[in-house]
Amino acid sequence: KNEVEQSPQNLTAQEGEFITINCSYSVGISALHWLQQHPGGGIVSLFMLSSGKKKHGRLIATINIQEKHSSLHITASHPRDSAVYICAVITAGGGNKLTFGTGTQLKVEL
Amino acid sequence: DTEVTQTPKHLVMGMTNKKSLKCEQHMGHRAMYWYKQKAKKPPELMFVYSYEKLSINESVPSRFSPECPNSSLLNLHLHALQPEDSALYLCASSQGPVERTSGNTIYFGEGSWLTVV
Repeated sequence: KNEVEQSPQNLTAQEGEFITINCSYSVGISALHWLQQHPGGGIVSLFMLSSGKKKHGRLIATINIQEKHSSLHITASHPRDSAVYICAVITAGGGNKLTFGTGTQLKVEL
Repeated sequence: DTEVTQTPKHLVMGMTNKKSLKCEQHMGHRAMYWYKQKAKKPPELMFVYSYEKLSINESVPSRFSPECPNSSLLNLHLHALQPEDSALYLCASSQGPVERTSGNTIYFGEGSWLTVV
């Protein structure tokens, strides 16, 4: 079993829909990243969280440390949001390493 | 400038060739990383440099040789690669070690697509 699990693996939504991607992890962490990867390859860090909630534009990320769970929400989704969204954790005492989830492929259609 | 610049974007090399991938950042970051990513898989950590010293080598074969000539540059030298080494190679940087959470966002480059023939 992976230390970091994401759901769903694939998601197709209609433009304007509210989207939620979930991340559960089984290890102690010091922080969690939400990353976005477009087909061209480059990865963009959307959020780094160690507690609570963060918001940037139409994106909201939350984390519940006790339940070992984080969610990424996209409001008013748009086709340009189509990408792979990856949850990555920094394990407590794990040194300079990110442990990645398997990613969620999101496609937003017109 | 919040960019991590990787060159080349695409590289095709034969199994007997010697080539290098380059990565550059001018954000003053002191931790730099090489990741390998195969299709539809998450990135796998290869190497970490912290303050220009190699701090993590994830048991990577010696045909991959990293080099950090200064705090802004990171190279990955390639020699005698195998076709299974074909992948996207991602460079990343952070202000300090990623385990320290005070504003330590990690920045990735666009990657170098490597094909070994």
